[in-house]
Amino acid sequence: DVVMTQSPLSLPVTLGQPASISCRSSQSLVYSDGNTYLNWFQQRPGQSPRRLIYKVSNRDSGVPDRFSGSGSGTDFTLKISRVEAEDIGVYYCMQAPHWPLTFGGGTKVEIK
Amino acid sequence: EVQLLDSGGGLVQPGGSLRLSCAASGFTFNYYGMTWVRQAPGKGLEWVSAISGSGDNTYYADSVKGRFTISRDNSKNTLYLHMNSLRSEDTAIYFCARDYSFDYWGQGTLVTVSS
Repeated sequence: DVVMTQSPLSLPVTLGQPASISCRSSQSLVYSDGNTYLNWFQQRPGQSPRRLIYKVSNRDSGVPDRFSGSGSGTDFTLKISRVEAEDIGVYYCMQAPHWPLTFGGGTKVEIK
Repeated sequence: EVQLLDSGGGLVQPGGSLRLSCAASGFTFNYYGMTWVRQAPGKGLEWVSAISGSGDNTYYADSVKGRFTISRDNSKNTLYLHMNSLRSEDTAIYFCARDYSFDYWGQGTLVTVSS
């Protein structure tokens, strides 16, 4: 199985400051069609997860442009340019080219 | 508007069975693969099972293989998860999600396995 390793586990942030989450996979996430299937999800307290980013760097509709994704191969990053109060929650990366589909362990973003 | 409505959760004894449903609306259901993801209390997300748009192809996590069966009724726009031989470690909120990229999620339904 592809292991997804996120860091840090917990990320205390100051409102208005940037934040960055790392996600590393144990295998390349480049599929045979040339696309890299790495997605990012946000889960606010008490809510269902919500997809933010798909295929490394594509923002979903309605996702603020302060969120950005980058990376390639096995090394990926989610960045929040200026953290707002509504960004508090747990963030997960997920790989989709390999069965079984696997998630990272999550990064909890909280206010410092 | 895409909507996924999960239902069917509840309290069940170890070794028991349960069937979850996910009613879909707002999109052409049979065009999309569908998935189930679960979240144990206070834990992270775990993919459980997936099914292709036609229903011809199914996929399972090792933790549920042989005990859970995913199915769909495209005439009713509904996804199912049949869960047998339930164990305490199956206790979780179960979410259905659209596509293998999980672009839309249901609200989840809680399954509690306990005597």
